[in-house]
Amino acid sequence: EVQLVESGGGLVQPGRSLRLSCAASGFTFDDYGMHWVRQAPGKGLEWVSGISWNSGTTGYADSVKGRFTISRDNAKNSLYLQMNSLRAEDTALYYCAKGVTLAVAGTGFDYWGQGTLVTVSS
Amino acid sequence: QSVLTQPPSASGTPGQRVTISCSGSSSNIGSNTVNWYQQLPGAAPKLLIYSNNQRPSGVPDRFSGSKSGTSASLAISGLHSEDEAVYYCAGWDDSGAVFGGGTKLTVL
Repeated sequence: EVQLVESGGGLVQPGRSLRLSCAASGFTFDDYGMHWVRQAPGKGLEWVSGISWNSGTTGYADSVKGRFTISRDNAKNSLYLQMNSLRAEDTALYYCAKGVTLAVAGTGFDYWGQGTLVTVSS
Repeated sequence: QSVLTQPPSASGTPGQRVTISCSGSSSNIGSNTVNWYQQLPGAAPKLLIYSNNQRPSGVPDRFSGSKSGTSASLAISGLHSEDEAVYYCAGWDDSGAVFGGGTKLTVL
């Protein structure tokens, strides 16, 4: 059974940093691209970032480019999101999602975690 | 303002067929495949349709997707009460993955 478990969310002040983690199991982790998708309270879905199976390709939404960094450790079946210079508008539930393919672009997201809540507020 | 445009709401009665539209542009839907997600209240999204019209295993064949030009649509036939959810279309453009704003489906 595919499982994605996010952690690392919490309350953080504007301008500070936070690192999210996603522990994956139930599938061959290094065969697939992985993504972060967020959902602000009461709002729709927003893709944040994606990484290819071997970390060779990464992509970021314009809203987070230059502030967030995605990475993965295939030996640990884990995905990460380093979030710096956080803003109030980054407040959201952050989902880890598995890509249907090994690439970053052009894929659907076939498994999702339950999300970890990030609240940016002073 | 979402890149892909969906109607904010849709409704139907049990057993009815409903369709949800998704409009984009030549840079996203027009040049890439479309995926659809279902989000039940309080739950994570679930992939319903990928590559325009493919169903992941376990998704009932009551759900179907299609694409034409820069638009796509999701059809749900034989509507069930448990289909009440928010449905999102999604695609890709040069800036990354893009989503529609979501359509809240109410089963009357």
